[in-house]
Amino acid sequence: DIQMTQSPSSLSASLGDRVTITCRASQNIVTFLNWYQQKPGKGPNLLIYDASSLQSGVPSRFSGSGSGTDFTLTISSLQPEDFATYYCHQSFNIPRTFGQGTKVEIK
Amino acid sequence: QVQLQQSGPGLVKPSQTLSVTCVISGDSVSTNSAAWNWIRQSPSRGLEWLGRTYYRSKWYNDYAESVKSRITINADTSKNQFSLQLNSVTSEDTAVYYCARDVASGQIDYWGQGTLVTVSS
Repeated sequence: DIQMTQSPSSLSASLGDRVTITCRASQNIVTFLNWYQQKPGKGPNLLIYDASSLQSGVPSRFSGSGSGTDFTLTISSLQPEDFATYYCHQSFNIPRTFGQGTKVEIK
Repeated sequence: QVQLQQSGPGLVKPSQTLSVTCVISGDSVSTNSAAWNWIRQSPSRGLEWLGRTYYRSKWYNDYAESVKSRITINADTSKNQFSLQLNSVTSEDTAVYYCARDVASGQIDYWGQGTLVTVSS
């Protein structure tokens, strides 16, 4: 199975901050990497697919980059509604696997 | 707009079978351009993909090795739904279970509302 490792596990940030979350795959997954946001009591919501494509309806302050084994999710200017947990997810092969999550909290 | 509506019991006894159903609206379970997944989430295991079913001229299933001996995912085209059955459950199977659609490069673009299933006597 492909292991997905996110860092950090949690972070504290202020409104307007630029936030970067990284995800590392245990093997080359090309660009089959997706990012989700999850708020308490809700299912995950797709933000970025194919490493850098913005899902329809997602604000442009979210962006993704990377290929191979190293990937990044960036929030350019943190907004109140962005405080949540973020997960990466590889869709390169079966079984699909997820990172352990990064919780973004208010500083 | 695709919607996935889940239903199923919230409490299952140890050694019994967990069953959750996902009714699809806005798409077809037999579409050639999507797959229908079951994923669970617990504090101890995080997000864990369990398996999927999809139709490409015939039906296919993929399952996670961790549950392969206990899991069945079926599609019901007459009701436009798919279901999860997990046999011989233990407390380790206590989790929120999600149904979900994946498309194109495997990204999951729609999720069900989640069903908390507790395994307890």
